[in-house]
Amino acid sequence: GAGVSQSPSNKVTEKGKDVELRCDPISGHTALYWYRQSLGQGLEFLIYFQGNSAPDKSGLPSDRFSAERTGGSVSTLTIQRTQQEDSAVYLCASSSLSGDTQYFGPGTRLTVL
Amino acid sequence: GDSVTQMEGPVTLSEEAFLTINCTYTATGYPSLFWYVQYPGEGLQLLLKATKADDKGSNKGFEATYRKETTSFHLEKGSVQVSDSAVYFCALRGATSYGKLTFGQGTILTVHP
Repeated sequence: GAGVSQSPSNKVTEKGKDVELRCDPISGHTALYWYRQSLGQGLEFLIYFQGNSAPDKSGLPSDRFSAERTGGSVSTLTIQRTQQEDSAVYLCASSSLSGDTQYFGPGTRLTVL
Repeated sequence: GDSVTQMEGPVTLSEEAFLTINCTYTATGYPSLFWYVQYPGEGLQLLLKATKADDKGSNKGFEATYRKETTSFHLEKGSVQVSDSAVYFCALRGATSYGKLTFGQGTILTVHP
C-alpha cells in the first residue's frame, strides 16, 4: 500500500516568510509524528498526534512552529517568520494505534535564505 | 531525559568485513530500541527492533541485542556489502514517551568493493 507522503519535497523561502509543510500518513494509522533532521542537531522530535487526544508539542523549538491534524489524517506543520536556523529536512512518520513501528515519509527539505 | 549515544563515524570498511556500530542509551524504565537506516536519497527505514531485555532484533543479516545491564544495543553484521552503505540511526522509545522516538546522531557507513 501507499506509504507516508510529504509535500513539497523541497522548499526554498526567504527569511521572515511563513511556510506550510504537508504530511499524508498511511491510511488507518492514528498516530502521526513530526521530526526535524539538521546537521547540527541530528534528528529531533517536534510534535506527536494520537487520535483525538491533545497533541504532545514538547519538541517544538519556538512559538513560531505549530501543527494541526485535520480529520485525524492529513497534518500541516507551519513555520512562521522563518529564520535561517530553521533550514533542515522535516520528516513525518505515522504508526498504528497499538504498534510501535514508525514509518517515515521522504521528508521536506526546507532552505531559508 | 532519554538519550542515545552512537559511536562517531564515519565508518569505512571493505566488502565482507565485520561491522559493529556501538549504541548506548539512558532512559527510565524499559524502553523499546530500534535501528533505522537511511540509504542515499531515500527516507528513514526501520532496520530492526527489540522491545525487551535480552531480545535480539535481526534483519538483512544485521543483528542487535537489547542489553539492559550495559544499556546497549550495538548493531552487528558479519559480512557487509557495498549496498549496506548508508547512515544508521539508533533510537529508543521511552516507556512513558507515548511514541516519541529519541535518536542518536547517526553513523555514516561506507563500504568499498
